[in-house]
Amino acid sequence: KNQVEQSPQSLIILEGKNCTLQCNYTVSPFSNLRWYKQDTGRGPVSLTIMTFSENTKSNGRYTATLDADTKQSSLHITASQLSDSASYICVVSGQGAGKSTFGDGTTLTVKP
Amino acid sequence: EAQVTQNPRYLITVTGKKLTVTCSQNMNHEYMSWYRQDPGLGLRQIYYSMNVEVTDKGDVPEGYKVSRKEKRNFPLILESPSPNQTSLYFCASSLGGPDYNSPLHFGNGTRLTVT
Repeated sequence: KNQVEQSPQSLIILEGKNCTLQCNYTVSPFSNLRWYKQDTGRGPVSLTIMTFSENTKSNGRYTATLDADTKQSSLHITASQLSDSASYICVVSGQGAGKSTFGDGTTLTVKP
Repeated sequence: EAQVTQNPRYLITVTGKKLTVTCSQNMNHEYMSWYRQDPGLGLRQIYYSMNVEVTDKGDVPEGYKVSRKEKRNFPLILESPSPNQTSLYFCASSLGGPDYNSPLHFGNGTRLTVT
């Protein structure tokens, strides 16, 4: 069964600090892995999409890494801001699949 | 502006009263999908559509219907809503299917309460 596990479930950091969120998956055969940011009560917004051949991708202060061999990904947030407070969702898609497997998300709270 | 539009944003209804939540996208996307999100749970897929007149069940399709008669619209129909369908619903679209390496664009959500 395809699964996506995210850790930690929640995280509190101080403004200006860095943090790393983890995503482990069992989806096979692998097609792509996406990270989304979801503000409370809003629809998720795409941060990055990574395919098998990519092992790092950046979007401003967000950097995602992918190790397709160990089936692990991480999302690193640099110099956090209050607006980074949100849920971060890891989504993995298999080849030829009409649907993706969603993680339960990591809730990040950035405090001043 | 490129967007996915859901209506209504908030809906309170009673058990058994049929309702439709509309979803429209203006990006000429092939793929559309519906999700529900409950407290403490991640997004769960209800139905998806790879193209016009092609729909498939997601992970939690029971109690829901969809149709895709036009490319831009993908309404979600609850024939006989029940309280366990109280949830936050999201519609999303993308250029191609999940393995097309294009991002999902989500609507702003519909908060449904069934009493």
